[in-house]
Amino acid sequence: KQEVTQIPAALSVPEGENLVLNCSFTDSAIYNLQWFRQDPGKGLTSLLLIQSSQREQTSGRLNASLDKSSGRSTLYIAASQPGDSATYLCAVRRGNYGQNFVFGPGTRLSVLP
Amino acid sequence: ETGVTQTPRHLVMGMTNKKSLKCEQHLGHNAMYWYKQSAKKPLELMFVYNFKEQTENNSVPSRFSPECPNSSHLFLHLHTLQPEDSALYLCASSQQLGQGTDTQYFGPGTRLTVL
Repeated sequence: KQEVTQIPAALSVPEGENLVLNCSFTDSAIYNLQWFRQDPGKGLTSLLLIQSSQREQTSGRLNASLDKSSGRSTLYIAASQPGDSATYLCAVRRGNYGQNFVFGPGTRLSVLP
Repeated sequence: ETGVTQTPRHLVMGMTNKKSLKCEQHLGHNAMYWYKQSAKKPLELMFVYNFKEQTENNSVPSRFSPECPNSSHLFLHLHTLQPEDSALYLCASSQQLGQGTDTQYFGPGTRLTVL
């Protein structure tokens, strides 16, 4: 059974810092991995999706990497801003059709002005 | 706005009530999902529909009954719920199952409280 963990559970940093969020999964047979952002009491917003054949994806100040063999992904946020404060979730998907989408518990990020 | 709307945004119901949650997507997608997000557990996938056909039911109790009349609408019918069913229920949609870049777009959720 796929299990997804995220470290740290919570993180507080001053504005402007670069930071790394970690995601680990137990079963390396994944189809893709996705990073989401969730603001308090709201739905999820997709940030980056990495296919199993890819090593990384970039969008603006965000960069996500994937090491499938070791069961790890990282989300790098450059030059953090207070608006980046949210909970960041990673989710792994098992197959192309089967939607066994397993989410991690999330990392709650606070960027202080 | 993600193009996925959910109503109501908040719902309080008793254990003997019957209510329904509604989700509508305006993205032209063909796959729709229900998720449950409890306070102390990771987000859990409940049901998946692809072209109106249910493709996944993650061992969800029968007191939750999904309905997908067309690719744009998804309902979750609730009856005789328990207090532990209190959670944020999220709906999502994606282009269709079987596509490589099948990014899901989420609605804002319905905050359900069962008394």
